[in-house]
Amino acid sequence: DTEVTQTPKHLVMGMTNKKSLKCEQHMGHRAMYWYKQKAKKPPELMFVYSYEKLSINESVPSRFSPECPNSSLLNLHLHALQPEDSALYLCASSRHTEAFFGQGTRLTVV
Amino acid sequence: GIQVEQSPPDLILQEGANSTLRCNFSDSVNNLQWFHQNPWGQLINLFYIPSGTKQNGRLSATTVATERYSLLYISSSQTTDSGVYFCAVERSGGFKTIFGAGTRLFVKA
Repeated sequence: DTEVTQTPKHLVMGMTNKKSLKCEQHMGHRAMYWYKQKAKKPPELMFVYSYEKLSINESVPSRFSPECPNSSLLNLHLHALQPEDSALYLCASSRHTEAFFGQGTRLTVV
Repeated sequence: GIQVEQSPPDLILQEGANSTLRCNFSDSVNNLQWFHQNPWGQLINLFYIPSGTKQNGRLSATTVATERYSLLYISSSQTTDSGVYFCAVERSGGFKTIFGAGTRLFVKA
């Protein structure tokens, strides 16, 4: 099983809303990632969790708040987003070698 | 930080043609992967290839780590090969995977 599951697949939210993106993997991977991808651009790293601890924050604005409740789950809490935050948000996991990606959440901020 | 350059940026092929995609990186890497991103945004693992040569059906890849490049070969291309191909690298000692800008491939029937 090499599956990373993200929910929801699509999300439309207002600038005053609070929402959460969820990511789950059952491969025993101890590193989990959030990436942001704008149209016609490559994925850009946002956060890395290693052994359930935040190890990398790529200077992401505080309106994005990651959380790793356990080794299988990764959340991204969203609050007071801007229209320019509209993008595909990808979750990934790895065990020091090959990374596997979820199908992404396509987020639109209105 | 490490730079990852992919070429060509865009490629149009007739169905059945062969192609070579290139990925150059500016520093030594621990990991290197090739992905295919389909029109729905899913990143599909093609190869995990920090060095050496691998083949999977019509696709093969070669990484020459000492010369800091990797090649992805697509033979007998099909319309379903269309999409964006990304090379992604990770330096030793961290989990920071950096993507190249990608090669956008369109295969015509």
